[in-house]
Amino acid sequence: GNSVTQMEGPVTLSEEAFLTINCTYTATGYPSLFWYVQYPGEGLQLLLKATKADDKGSNKGFEATYRKETTSFHLEKGSVQVSDSAVYFCALRRGAGSYQLTFGKGTKLSVIP
Amino acid sequence: NAGVTQTPKFQVLKTGQSMTLQCAQDMNHNSMYWYRQDPGMGLRLIYYSASEGTTDKGEVPNGYNVSRLNKREFSLRLESAAPSQTSVYFCASSGTGTSGQETQYFGPGTRLLVL
Repeated sequence: GNSVTQMEGPVTLSEEAFLTINCTYTATGYPSLFWYVQYPGEGLQLLLKATKADDKGSNKGFEATYRKETTSFHLEKGSVQVSDSAVYFCALRRGAGSYQLTFGKGTKLSVIP
Repeated sequence: NAGVTQTPKFQVLKTGQSMTLQCAQDMNHNSMYWYRQDPGMGLRLIYYSASEGTTDKGEVPNGYNVSRLNKREFSLRLESAAPSQTSVYFCASSGTGTSGQETQYFGPGTRLLVL
């Protein structure tokens, strides 16, 4: 079946540090890949997505590249801010016509000044 | 444009009580979803509705029922609440945007405590 594995947190970084959150997946076919962010007390917001191999999703300084050869979709940001403190979820959707998202367990990021 | 709204925000139930969680979206999306979020578990799909008039089970449907009342509204019912249903419940909807890609949008969540 489909599954998503994220690096376990929590992750604590100083402001302006480089961020990587690892995400690997198992799926048949050609899934679409997503990163969602959840700020404290709120619902999930789509951060970025990629729908085919070698696509790079980007938003708000975050980037992730769909690597089919390593089945990975790692999230990166060059310089984190305190406002980036949140829980980040990697997710996949199996393919066109599929409705179900499969989520990783989430990685909590805390950025300290 | 409120997006996806959920009521209530917080609820406490006793074991065996029933309740309905409400969800509405104003984005004219065809598909709607109910998830639960538990610590260390990520989000798990309870039920979804691909279009008005249809519903299907997700990963963890036991103990829940749903109703797709119309295109805007999708409710989740707990007939006899159990402590194991203590969780945060998220509703989501999805549609195909201008990019042609299906994207899910989430509501703010309902925090449920079953004693």
